[in-house]
Amino acid sequence: DTGVSQNPRHKITKRGQNVTFRCDPISEHNRLYWYRQTLGQGPEFLTYFQNEAQLEKSRLLSDRFSAERPKGSFSTLEIQRTEQGDSAMYLCASSLNSGQETQYFGPGTRLLVL
Amino acid sequence: DQQVKQNSPSLSVQEGRISILNCDYTNSMFDYFLWYKKYPAEGPTFLISISSIKDKNEDGRFTVFLNKSAKHLSLHIVPSQPGDSAVYFCAASRKAAGNKLTFGGGTRVLVKP
Repeated sequence: DTGVSQNPRHKITKRGQNVTFRCDPISEHNRLYWYRQTLGQGPEFLTYFQNEAQLEKSRLLSDRFSAERPKGSFSTLEIQRTEQGDSAMYLCASSLNSGQETQYFGPGTRLLVL
Repeated sequence: DQQVKQNSPSLSVQEGRISILNCDYTNSMFDYFLWYKKYPAEGPTFLISISSIKDKNEDGRFTVFLNKSAKHLSLHIVPSQPGDSAVYFCAASRKAAGNKLTFGGGTRVLVKP
């Protein structure tokens, strides 16, 4: 399967702990996006990369959040000192930077902070 | 401020009939529009898209219509099938803004056999 993959699929953690999620995009895609979706809402943009460069971060992304894409392939999203309000589905998408792009999503990582 | 809105949270339709989903946007700079389908506990699946230079795009049972003057787009599914039961999201993007997607709140579609 050559789609976008995300790990883990589910994560339960206690408030104050750090968590890290991984996204592996479609192999030839040079753009990678992170979104967050809470219950009953549409996904909201967090940040995106073109190759290894992080080009934009949403104001939703507090200082406790950091994302990397060190070699322009997979990406990690880390949340430090998790809070209950961080509970959400974290979605990764990738696209080919070819003008108007279709983004293809992974299955998501569902985070529950107790 | 919500730049993309789906005003109908749910829709129920009989199998074989047409499903029409609506979406409104406020930012006239959006230049690409997409529809995604989402099942519970899965990521969104791309369905169909349309560029702002077009007013219609078809792919099999799915057709998207864009009315730029009204800042409105719609998705028609015909004929509707039970497997189409899911949440549908419209999304919009701007090439100049990195093509990041702005989503509506979703419409839950139930197709009754």
